[in-house]
Amino acid sequence: QKEVEQNSGPLSVPEGAIASLNCTYSDRVSQSFFWYRQYSGKSPELIMSIYSNGDKEDGRFTAQLNKASQYVSLLIRDSQPSDSATYLCAVNRAGNMLTFGGGTRLMVKP
Amino acid sequence: DTEVTQTPKHLVMGMTNKKSLKCEQHMGHRAMYWYKQKAKKPPELMFVYSYEKLSINESVPSRFSPECPNSSLLNLHLHALQPEDSALYLCASSQLPGEQEQYFGPGTRLTVT
Repeated sequence: QKEVEQNSGPLSVPEGAIASLNCTYSDRVSQSFFWYRQYSGKSPELIMSIYSNGDKEDGRFTAQLNKASQYVSLLIRDSQPSDSATYLCAVNRAGNMLTFGGGTRLMVKP
Repeated sequence: DTEVTQTPKHLVMGMTNKKSLKCEQHMGHRAMYWYKQKAKKPPELMFVYSYEKLSINESVPSRFSPECPNSSLLNLHLHALQPEDSALYLCASSQLPGEQEQYFGPGTRLTVT
């Protein structure tokens, strides 16, 4: 079992819809969870961090964390074509090391 | 300001060359990282510096040699690389070592011929 798992996609949603991206992790002691957006040929950009169970909202983005189920998700409301990118889930393991999932490619169609 | 800068943007080098990648941040962050990213793969951690000291080396071959001259600068010295080392090399920093948000620089696209 991989430490951090994501569906590789592509996930295709129409413009204006809600995109739901999911991530599961294996290490129960993980405490910090991050979502990065990466456009093709560019570096990862931090868009959300979440540390406690529940929801965290920032603009059109909502991160959801369920530590009991070892599950973290990212919702993007009112998806725009500019949201088309690969979304990387990252989990902080022992010390200061991030483990990344394989990423989910999101395509938002006009 | 969450800016991490990296130079050069692109680098082409032969297998016998010696080159260096440079990373800089002026956010007062005390942890800095080097990652390697191959196409369609997630970033892989190479090295971690905490308070200018190497704290993690993820079993990286010795042809990659990191250096942290001061709290704002991080270098990656390259020597006798292989074509399979061609990748995007990413630098990141976080305010403190530990469970902190990491901010990435734009990366250096390295091609080894």
